Amino acid sequence: NAGVTQTPKFRVLKTGQSMTLLCAQDMNHEYMYWYRQDPGMGLRLIHYSVGEGTTAKGEVPDGYNVSRLKKQNFLLGLESAAPSQTSVYFCASSYRRRTSGETQYFGPGTRLLVL
Amino acid sequence: KNEVEQSPQNLTAQEGEFITINCSYSVGISALHWLQQHPGGGIVSLFMLSSGKKKHGRLIATINIQEKHSSLHITASHPRDSAVYICAVRETGANNLFFGTGTRLTVIP
Repeated sequence: NAGVTQTPKFRVLKTGQSMTLLCAQDMNHEYMYWYRQDPGMGLRLIHYSVGEGTTAKGEVPDGYNVSRLKKQNFLLGLESAAPSQTSVYFCASSYRRRTSGETQYFGPGTRLLVL
Repeated sequence: KNEVEQSPQNLTAQEGEFITINCSYSVGISALHWLQQHPGGGIVSLFMLSSGKKKHGRLIATINIQEKHSSLHITASHPRDSAVYICAVRETGANNLFFGTGTRLTVIP
């Protein structure tokens, strides 16, 4: 099993450009998340999905869109990149069990620089 | 607003020392997680707690729900334990986690 993979690993964008980050998981997890990590701050949730075809806003959703057309994939889009979106982006997936709770499995991260 | 605070922010220890990292939070929670972020950036889950204590190898995690506090202990610390340790909580009824800013641990041989 590959676990959670993210594409690309690193990207440089100019202000105003668009791009899509791809997250894929092969563990048949229902839940998927996109986070951003910035210096001096904890991971912050951008958007999440509780199942195929569903998405919801997290703590910092502005400037991002997501789609979950297939259970194994969760896409994060930046329509018009801004320097404030320079960050490291992590995808995570999880299952939840009533008795054992939840463990999130993280991807390796995507480093994005917006000039 | 849920706030998750970790202390200390940075910690340097000699190999073999006993390490304690603390996490405090401000709202009712259904679970607390401890995660480890390696120097290369990868994040792995260490523990999920809703009460009591859990142990895995040299790592021990405890939680006191009444005091809204958790600790992560590392016994016989080793340089390979050097990493950022992150506390995260799931507020009761919420779908997402709130994360602390992490504790950077450096273990010197």
